[in-house]
Amino acid sequence: DADVTQTPRNRITKTGKRIMLECSQTKGHDRMYWYRQDPGLGLRLIYYSFDVKDINKGEISDGYSVSRQAQAKFSLSLESAIPNQTALYFCATSDHNGVAAYNEQFFGPGTRLTVL
Amino acid sequence: KNEVEQSPQNLTAQEGEFITINCSYSVGISALHWLQQHPGGGIVSLFMLSSGKKKHGRLIATINIQEKHSSLHITASHPRDSAVYICAVDTGNQFYFGTGTSLTVIP
Repeated sequence: DADVTQTPRNRITKTGKRIMLECSQTKGHDRMYWYRQDPGLGLRLIYYSFDVKDINKGEISDGYSVSRQAQAKFSLSLESAIPNQTALYFCATSDHNGVAAYNEQFFGPGTRLTVL
Repeated sequence: KNEVEQSPQNLTAQEGEFITINCSYSVGISALHWLQQHPGGGIVSLFMLSSGKKKHGRLIATINIQEKHSSLHITASHPRDSAVYICAVDTGNQFYFGTGTSLTVIP
């Protein structure tokens, strides 16, 4: 079984609809991240969470919200989807024990979202 | 403003060639990562570096902290190395990513 899972893997929706993307991990990591990837732009950070009570905005948080329901679960919501939110979305986790060398990120398989 | 710059953006090589991908960054970092993204979209971590050099099979990664520069080398390239290679830096709180280098290795 994959350590970091995302659901759904693909989603097509219409402008104005509310969408939730879910991420679960079995690695026991405290840190979780949501990124979007657009062609030619690389991965950009939307939100990140260092533990259940610690949620932070990333570079491009406008139009998105998140919920850290438990250590293992981190959901991303688009309250009212718009076409320029069409992208590939990745969840990632990392552990942090004070030593940077161990702060490796583990990525989920990605969710391809299309907003019509 | 791009915190991480990669070059080249695209690279085509013949099987067996030695390949170098470069990464420059402008922020203070605690570590630098090289990632590989397969054509299907999945991303895996290849290396984490905070100094010096690491080797894994045919892949070698180096970093020069003073010059804020890292290189990823692939020796004896193979068609299965075809992928997008992404440089990412960890500032301690956030990760910043390069736009990736798309590598195609032709048999």
